[in-house]
Amino acid sequence: EAGVTQFPSHSVIEKGQTVTLRCDPISGHDNLYWYRRVMGKEIKFLLHFVKESKQDESGMPNNRFLAERTGGTYSTLKVQPAELEDSGVYFCASSQTGLAGGRNEQFFGPGTRLTVL
Amino acid sequence: AQSVSQHNHHVILSEAASLELGCNYSYGGTVNLFWYVQYPGQHLQLLLKYFSGDPLVKGIKGFEAEFIKSKFSFNLRKPSVQWSDTAEYFCAVNAQTGFQKLVFGTGTRLLVSP
Repeated sequence: EAGVTQFPSHSVIEKGQTVTLRCDPISGHDNLYWYRRVMGKEIKFLLHFVKESKQDESGMPNNRFLAERTGGTYSTLKVQPAELEDSGVYFCASSQTGLAGGRNEQFFGPGTRLTVL
Repeated sequence: AQSVSQHNHHVILSEAASLELGCNYSYGGTVNLFWYVQYPGQHLQLLLKYFSGDPLVKGIKGFEAEFIKSKFSFNLRKPSVQWSDTAEYFCAVNAQTGFQKLVFGTGTRLLVSP
């Protein structure tokens, strides 16, 4: 079974440009999460989809970030316009829905390393 | 708000040495506790988890962790490390009620020298 995949693996863009990151969750996983790790800091939650609906977007830093999950399958995270502080590694994770109380294991993708110059 | 503290940012050990990585969390409710590991060039993967019951949990590759509720701690241990344990280790929590997002610590880089 394929794991969580992310594309691209690396992206280098200039300040002010737009970048779109893609995440393909494990097939059948209704939950999809985006996290970000800025260099040297902790991995921080951005948002959580259940199917195509945004369940929790409390971690989105500002309105330059737009996440979508049309059809409840893959998800995209667009940053427009990108700023220097957006640099970091963006992780996607997915999990099944079945266990209550936050117990569904989140499976992580390899991450996309974004560098904004 | 939830927070997780990992006090050791870098740890260097020789093979066969014992390992203990500290993790403390802050949260007002009941939590689930996790340790994730990221080996060089690989994905984050779950090492072990605690939901309830026996506070001593065993994970993959000989790792274990102990939940001490009174100390809000979930320290990771391994009696004898191997070179292949070189990786970055992350402690994480999430709430048992409400949203399922994980809150991570800053990570601990472990280097095991042969």
